Amino acid sequence: GAVVSQHPSWVICKSGTSVKIECRSLDFQATTMFWYRQFPKQSLMLMATSNEGSKATYEQGVEKDKFLINHASLTLSTLTVTSAHPEDSSFYICSARRGGRGNQPQHFGDGTRLSIL
Amino acid sequence: AQTVTQSQPEMSVQEAETVTLSCTYDTSESNYYLFWYKQPPSRQMILVIRQEAYKQQNATENRFSVNFQKAAKSFSLKISDSQLGDTAMYFCAFTPKTSYDKVIFGPGTSLSVIP
Repeated sequence: GAVVSQHPSWVICKSGTSVKIECRSLDFQATTMFWYRQFPKQSLMLMATSNEGSKATYEQGVEKDKFLINHASLTLSTLTVTSAHPEDSSFYICSARRGGRGNQPQHFGDGTRLSIL
Repeated sequence: AQTVTQSQPEMSVQEAETVTLSCTYDTSESNYYLFWYKQPPSRQMILVIRQEAYKQQNATENRFSVNFQKAAKSFSLKISDSQLGDTAMYFCAFTPKTSYDKVIFGPGTSLSVIP
């Protein structure tokens, strides 16, 4: 169990467009979902934490208006990169966790490679 | 500040041999959780093993085991009988009990298993 699906896996788009990435927990209810950004050969950088039905909590330095996060249900969170530019190109990974106990590990999606031309 | 350090950016091991990946962390918390995640070339993050700080017994999952030294704030991962499929980036991660949403990842160790 604990499967997280992320879609799309790879997207290429023109500068100025908006891109939406979906993160779904397929076989469990995720009270909390997380969005990370990963640069090549680097570790994961937490962008924001989203709880179902409430506003996302963004990490310092992450633009809320650039990276819109919606967590409308216990199984779906979306990240929209608005007016994307080449510097937004990166690997984005979502994760989901059931319950509120820290020993429940985060289960990760397969990631989305975003390339802005 | 809470930090996770992995001092070995790259490591290699012969197939079927044993390798140990190092991880140290810094925290003033007394209770927390520790994890090792694996990220193969496919880029999916896979949970390898986890340890609760209040448990003294070292966690074991098949060929993977940890050496948890709480006083030294050390959490190393031992991979026995290394297989080609173990080739991946390995991230040590820490979650303080006081802030479940904060998972702090180390910089990672790139492990190559050589046939």
